[in-house]
Amino acid sequence: AQSVAQPEDQVNVAEGNPLTVKCTYSVSGNPYLFWYVQYPNRGLQFLLKYITGDNLVKGSYGFEAEFNKSQTSFHLKKPSALVSDSALYFCAVIYNTDKLIFGTGTRLQVFP
Amino acid sequence: DGGITQSPKYLFRKEGQNVTLSCEQNLNHDAMYWYRQDPGQGLRLIYYSQIVNDFQKGDIAEGYSVSREKKESFPLTVTSAQKNPTAFYLCATSQGFSYEQYFGPGTRLTVT
Repeated sequence: AQSVAQPEDQVNVAEGNPLTVKCTYSVSGNPYLFWYVQYPNRGLQFLLKYITGDNLVKGSYGFEAEFNKSQTSFHLKKPSALVSDSALYFCAVIYNTDKLIFGTGTRLQVFP
Repeated sequence: DGGITQSPKYLFRKEGQNVTLSCEQNLNHDAMYWYRQDPGQGLRLIYYSQIVNDFQKGDIAEGYSVSREKKESFPLTVTSAQKNPTAFYLCATSQGFSYEQYFGPGTRLTVT
């Protein structure tokens, strides 16, 4: 079955430390990969995407993600976390040009 | 959230009543989507439309209906057939299905 997994419900990190939010996928064909962020009681905001090309993608607010085809992963990273980065993060995959799956979300908590 | 309007922000209905959620966009995007968000389950796709006067069922379309008579508008009706309608509903748009999505602020529906 086609799927997207965010294996951690919550990630805790101290402000100033690097952060990683994990995403792995299992879909047919070449996927289009996306990360979104959601603040409380708000809609999602687009952060970054991988379609093709360079495996390291840079996005909004200093976030980046690395596409790893062999490990079927697209982990979200930031070198230095801010308290304001605390939010819910979603990975999403489009495959076969017309199929879309969202992950279940990972709550990032950055402590001062 | 700019460019996508969802109204109202909070909606309360009695069980057995149909209710229509509004979604309007001024981004000139072709594709529009409706999602349902429940705690711990991420986003689930209800319906999507890639062009005016055409729409497709998503993963959880039962008990819902939509129309796409205008490019700017994609209203969602939650019918009395929906067994568990209380949820946070999100509308999104994109230039096309394979592009990043832009989300509205959401409508929180409570049915008692």
